Amino acid sequence: AQSVAQPEDQVNVAEGNPLTVKCTYSVSGNPYLFWYVQYPNRGLQFLLKYITGDNLVKGSYGFEAEFNKSQTSFHLKKPSALVSDSALYFCAVRAYSGGYQKVTFGTGTKLQVIP
Amino acid sequence: DGGITQSPKYLFRKEGQNVTLSCEQNLNHDAMYWYRQDPGQGLRLIYYSQIVNDFQKGDIAEGYSVSREKKESFPLTVTSAQKNPTAFYLCASRIQGAANVLTFGAGSRLTVL
Repeated sequence: AQSVAQPEDQVNVAEGNPLTVKCTYSVSGNPYLFWYVQYPNRGLQFLLKYITGDNLVKGSYGFEAEFNKSQTSFHLKKPSALVSDSALYFCAVRAYSGGYQKVTFGTGTKLQVIP
Repeated sequence: DGGITQSPKYLFRKEGQNVTLSCEQNLNHDAMYWYRQDPGQGLRLIYYSQIVNDFQKGDIAEGYSVSREKKESFPLTVTSAQKNPTAFYLCASRIQGAANVLTFGAGSRLTVL
């Protein structure tokens, strides 16, 4: 069975500092990995994805993520955090399950950027 | 504008009542999903549908039912058999193809009184 782990419930970072939100995964075969962001009482918005190719993926709003196959990780990063980045971030993996594409989400990490 | 519309945004239900949450998309997406979101538990898959008239149970399907009679619509019924239905419900869709991302609706918050 596929799974995603986000080991930190909350990450606090000062504005202007680099941020990292961690994600590890477990899946049979090649993973398709995604990051989404959620603002309060809203649906999720897509940030970036890894399918194949370059291990460093660039996405929306200056975010990027690094795919590490040996460590089965897909950490989200940003060089300089903004207060407006404060939100709930979800990592997700897509793989085949019983002949169907299935998406599994992590439990989410709340990012708090402190002014 | 294309997107996913969920209604109602807020819903209150008495114990023992069934309630149906609406999800409509005009994106011409093939696959549709229902997720339940609880604090600290992330998103859990309730049901998903790859094509019209076909749907599959997700991880927490007990107490829920769905239908997919039209490509645009994927309503979710929360039945009285669902013991703890208070949650935030999210509908999503995507075009077929492994690399395609999910597009989410704004969600429906169900509270059982």
